[in-house]
Amino acid sequence: DQQVKQNSPSLSVQEGRISILNCDYTNSMFDYFLWYKKYPAEGPTFLISISSIKDKNEDGRFTVFLNKSAKHLSLHIVPSQPGDSAVYFCAPRYSGTYKYIFGTGTRLKVLA
Amino acid sequence: DVKVTQSSRYLVKRTGEKVFLECVQDMDHENMFWYRQDPGLGLRLIYFSYDVKMKEKGDIPEGYSVSREKKERFSLILESASTNQTSMYLCASSFATFRTDNYGYTFGSGTRLTVV
Repeated sequence: DQQVKQNSPSLSVQEGRISILNCDYTNSMFDYFLWYKKYPAEGPTFLISISSIKDKNEDGRFTVFLNKSAKHLSLHIVPSQPGDSAVYFCAPRYSGTYKYIFGTGTRLKVLA
Repeated sequence: DVKVTQSSRYLVKRTGEKVFLECVQDMDHENMFWYRQDPGLGLRLIYFSYDVKMKEKGDIPEGYSVSREKKERFSLILESASTNQTSMYLCASSFATFRTDNYGYTFGSGTRLTVV
């Protein structure tokens, strides 16, 4: 049973445009939602997070939106750069624990 | 700079061999994890440990075991390697206590294992 779904396995965007990566979840017991970025042959690195009590968090070019009623979050990258080309994982955390559940990932390709 | 170090970047092993994947962290983290990453399946948890000599099964423990004799080191063992264990293996670590400044796990660079 997949609790965290990233329904787009891949996404191509032109440099300078907006990239929108989506993530849907089923469990109401998540309290933090993280996004990780992964380059080939490297481990995932933390990108941005959002608490379940917020609906938006912004850090430079990256913004994460959370819609709790729809159990949906999205990552916006504006403007997209070729260096953003990577696999992105959303990873919600079970409330009050250290346990994260990772989505299947979306491969973003930013075209120069 | 804090680190999670995995001993090998690439490994090629034969079917039936016993394989050891080593992971060391220098952040004094209580928790350590082993994941495998496969296309279309994301990151799947194999085993984790929340203390020395403690271990818990993750979602896909079959065919694997782990060892944590010291806080900083967490080993993944493939008892008898099979071709379906060809994958990217990722080690991660984290603090045990609930934190509001949450950055999740720190990952190692991964070990690409090929079983032939």
